[in-house]
Amino acid sequence: SAVISQKPSRDICQRGTSLTIQCQVDSQVTMMFWYRQQPGQSLTLIATANQGSEATYESGFVIDKFPISRPNLTFSTLTVSNMSPEDSSIYLCSSKVPDTQYFGPGTRLTVL
Amino acid sequence: GEDVEQSLFLSVREGDSSVINCTYTDSSSTYLYWYKQEPGAGLQLLTYIFSNMDMKQDQRLTVLLNKKDKHLSLRIADTQTGDSAIYFCAEKNNYGQNFVFGPGTRLSVLP
Repeated sequence: SAVISQKPSRDICQRGTSLTIQCQVDSQVTMMFWYRQQPGQSLTLIATANQGSEATYESGFVIDKFPISRPNLTFSTLTVSNMSPEDSSIYLCSSKVPDTQYFGPGTRLTVL
Repeated sequence: GEDVEQSLFLSVREGDSSVINCTYTDSSSTYLYWYKQEPGAGLQLLTYIFSNMDMKQDQRLTVLLNKKDKHLSLRIADTQTGDSAIYFCAEKNNYGQNFVFGPGTRLSVLP
């Protein structure tokens, strides 16, 4: 299994600002994922982050809005840029180890 | 494309069994999963089953897989108030690296 932590656990932000969410895994993993969970909804995959290469974004998500870093095999960041109230969601990171996914506790973002 | 469906709500009395159902469309699914999400928390992996199995039991949890009907269920025996949560079904196939999640079933356990 993998233990995943995220920072911050929650934040309230102003429209137009940006927030960077950090994700730390307790072991080296090749693949990390970032998901969005809008209120009352299921999970939507934003992007897959592999170490040493650019993130792969799903349809409807772009790098300018959600830049991702993956500097090593245990860490990744997701930035939510130029935020609007529609970005209010829980953002979850996960790692794939090897045929299962483990999730962090999530970052609850509220944009005013 | 791939799709995973679940009923959205289930209420049971404490001590009864809960059965949460899931259907999926991708016949090439290799693994199917159940995750639990408690309020304000991330997703906790409960159990998973490989597609060549039809049943898996783990303490109070029993997973049944009907591959022909593409139907997965999670049975929780002796349901407790601590089991109140949202339960997500997910599937993974051979060619995709990511999982496809269902909409989640909100389980309410009544005293």
